[in-house]
Amino acid sequence: QLQLQESGPGLVKPSETLSLTCTVSGGSISSSSYYWGWIRQPPGKGLEWIGSIYYSGSTYYNPSLKSRVTISVDTSKNQFSLKLSSVTAADTAVYYCASSGYSRRDLDYWGQGTLVTVSS
Amino acid sequence: DIQMTQSPSSVSASVGDRVTITCRASQGISSWLAWYQQKPGKAPKLLIYAASSLQSGVPSRFSGSGSGTDFTLTISSLQPEDFATYYCQQANSFPRLTFGGGTKVEIK
Repeated sequence: QLQLQESGPGLVKPSETLSLTCTVSGGSISSSSYYWGWIRQPPGKGLEWIGSIYYSGSTYYNPSLKSRVTISVDTSKNQFSLKLSSVTAADTAVYYCASSGYSRRDLDYWGQGTLVTVSS
Repeated sequence: DIQMTQSPSSVSASVGDRVTITCRASQGISSWLAWYQQKPGKAPKLLIYAASSLQSGVPSRFSGSGSGTDFTLTISSLQPEDFATYYCQQANSFPRLTFGGGTKVEIK
């Protein structure tokens, strides 16, 4: 069974770049069966898909964030990462990483989430 | 982009009640719809995939139906542990995903 764990700074200054890493255990990030995604949830609000990556490096982004988002994968470390540039207070949220199976297209395994606050 | 609209945004119900939540897609998504349950401070948990398939380990009081643009999540007999927020998610444009706005199930 897959396990995912987010890591990264909990506080980022406005205009700087938010960087998070998701470490996958219990399976290979190079599996052809999965895409790997980032989802966020501002305090008290709903879920927002940020983007996804395949082990080959193919990326897919939410159009509303595309200009500021970069998702990358490191197969040697079984990790994938999120960078969100030029952050503002509106980017304050709990950030989740999750796996989405190619055949079922759902998000079956999730990390516990990490709160990132944008503040000076 | 495909938009997902959930209704109601909140519902008050009692233990034992039947609860129905609706999700509507802005265009046809076949059966590419999933439902999640989220409790405060926790990650969402997958309940239903492919519109009507029950995820392993999820109680059978949860069921999903629908195809095309209109979908329903039904809890047949609400239990105390079911008070939570529920989200739908379309995957017709996979791997691009969209979530509904959420439905909070509260104690009456």
